[in-house]
Amino acid sequence: GAVVSQHPSRVICKSGTSVKIECRSLDFQATTMFWYRQFPKQSLMLMATSNEGSKATYEQGVEKDKFLINHASLTLSTLTVTSAHPEDSSFYICSARLWANNEQFFGPGTRLTVL
Amino acid sequence: RKEVEQDPGPFNVPEGATVAFNCTYSNSASQSFFWYRQDCRKEPKLLMSVYSSGNEDGRFTAQLNRASQYISLLIRDSKLSDSATYLCVVNLNTGGFKTIFGAGTRLFVKA
Repeated sequence: GAVVSQHPSRVICKSGTSVKIECRSLDFQATTMFWYRQFPKQSLMLMATSNEGSKATYEQGVEKDKFLINHASLTLSTLTVTSAHPEDSSFYICSARLWANNEQFFGPGTRLTVL
Repeated sequence: RKEVEQDPGPFNVPEGATVAFNCTYSNSASQSFFWYRQDCRKEPKLLMSVYSSGNEDGRFTAQLNRASQYISLLIRDSKLSDSATYLCVVNLNTGGFKTIFGAGTRLFVKA
């Protein structure tokens, strides 16, 4: 199947710093990527839809100025958590969708811990 | 009402048991349906797509009933390695593509 990578896999940072997470589709082009957040023992929650060459579409309750998304190429989307706080600590997962069958391929996730 | 609802679980079963997972969705405009498996602290991985005609892959059988807006997953002869969280996933396309995840049902298979 298609491969999606994420970097970094784990990050620990101090409160107030910004963290950038990269999501890459390695063997296919993805015009649309998705960013999810998952808190312990909860399901994935869609944060935003990242569209190549245009602005991301954010879900209700997700601050676009806090979670900056850039999808500059067909294989790369980035999520920047600005001025991170402990409540932002979570598992962030990206996915890329294949147009052919709507299957989503997920990255391995990034575990963010904000101290 | 949640857009995608699953059995709350967890399910604790012995090896060899047959396990059935149920899922309902509320939006009749839902277009495609999947079961994903998620292991602890890992990303979800596609288990199988779900079609109205039914879909079988070895010990796994998935079924979709559009009239009832109901999706099922059956695991026969369960193995220890089947222990995971099973996520019901529904794709919508109502002016924009959107994926809705169920909360997941945790399965523990014990020897």
